Amino acid sequence: EAQVTQNPRYLITVTGKKLTVTCSQNMNHEYMSWYRQDPGLGLRQIYYSMNVEVTDKGDVPEGYKVSRKEKRNFPLILESPSPNQTSLYFCASGNTEAFFGQGTRLTVV
Amino acid sequence: AQSVAQPEDQVNVAEGNPLTVKCTYSVSGNPYLFWYVQYPNRGLQFLLKYITGDNLVKGSYGFEAEFNKSQTSFHLKKPSALVSDSALYFCAVRDPFRAGNNRKLIWGLGTSLAVNP
Repeated sequence: EAQVTQNPRYLITVTGKKLTVTCSQNMNHEYMSWYRQDPGLGLRQIYYSMNVEVTDKGDVPEGYKVSRKEKRNFPLILESPSPNQTSLYFCASGNTEAFFGQGTRLTVV
Repeated sequence: AQSVAQPEDQVNVAEGNPLTVKCTYSVSGNPYLFWYVQYPNRGLQFLLKYITGDNLVKGSYGFEAEFNKSQTSFHLKKPSALVSDSALYFCAVRDPFRAGNNRKLIWGLGTSLAVNP
């Protein structure tokens, strides 16, 4: 079954404490991306990856990092989270038809 | 600039009535068009897409969408709405002929559909 697995689903953290949200896909897709979803702003792309070791900024990359060491995994890293990064995050795989993870609801206090 | 507009933040319909969720786009050439649905506390799920061919595209859960090139629209429709169709619907477009990440999906802001019993 085609799947994008994101973890954790829910996370509450404190300002400045580094965190990683994992994303894994089983469809051998080259293209993967991260989005954040905020009320009234829709989906905004944070980072994307065209292939292993090829990553680049999306529309709202500030405060985030990513890595793509293997094709299946595309973790999102917040080195020093701040309250304005409180949001719902989605990992997506594929581009012609994007497959989404279940989402990670992050709260930074 | 490429853009997608979903002119209605919310659509309310009665169960059993037909529904339409509107989407217009601004992309040159022959774009790929998509509809996704997001149920509460869930990720986005693919509903249907238009790549080429017949302007009327059928998708999951009885939904269909009509591509109208002259009006640059891709409205989502269903003949008879169900309460379980209540969700957030996103239209997206991609220009497949642009290079690199310029081929990325461009998203509308979403339309909240409420189907009343």
